[in-house]
Amino acid sequence: DTEVTQTPKHLVMGMTNKKSLKCEQHMGHRAMYWYKQKAKKPPELMFVYSYEKLSINESVPSRFSPECPNSSLLNLHLHALQPEDSALYLCASSPFSVAGESTDTQYFGPGTRLTVL
Amino acid sequence: AQTVTQSQPEMSVQEAETVTLSCTYDTSESNYYLFWYKQPPSRQMILVIRQEAYKQQNATENRFSVNFQKAAKSFSLKISDSQLGDTAMYFCAFMVRYNNNDMRFGAGTRLTVKP
Repeated sequence: DTEVTQTPKHLVMGMTNKKSLKCEQHMGHRAMYWYKQKAKKPPELMFVYSYEKLSINESVPSRFSPECPNSSLLNLHLHALQPEDSALYLCASSPFSVAGESTDTQYFGPGTRLTVL
Repeated sequence: AQTVTQSQPEMSVQEAETVTLSCTYDTSESNYYLFWYKQPPSRQMILVIRQEAYKQQNATENRFSVNFQKAAKSFSLKISDSQLGDTAMYFCAFMVRYNNNDMRFGAGTRLTVKP
């Protein structure tokens, strides 16, 4: 089963709201990722977690706060977002990660379509 | 820095015909992976095919095959017997081994399969 699930599918929020995106996988993968994808553009890497530790933060504004409570779950906490943050947020996981090792294929979830008003 | 270039923003093909999508990349690394991902209108990114740079043999997955030219830094995707369900955005992606899972995508090629 190569399934990554994401909730919610759609999210509309105001600039003063606090919300969270959730990603889950039960494939035993030890690396998890957040990507941001604007319309008609490729995904852009935001964060990488390896063994539940943040290993890459691509200079993402602090209004995005990732959290990896355990090896199966990845959250993205949102606060004080701007309209330009509206995008598709994709989560992915890959099978095995040792620090510094790019290991294998990333499997993606269906994404959360976020609209910031 | 690694860059991935897809020079064809849009392509179309008739059902049952063959189409080739181009991808070039630039890197000074010798050990890396290359991928083709498909993103249909449903927006889920789906792995189409994967190639390890140290392998000479071109990867094949059913109707999908690649032409990997390491010296030319080229990684094209050939789709044979195109089907309507192949209509999607196709992204070429590159990942250096030992680089902490940092994968970079090309700009994408929108492929339309016409009946």
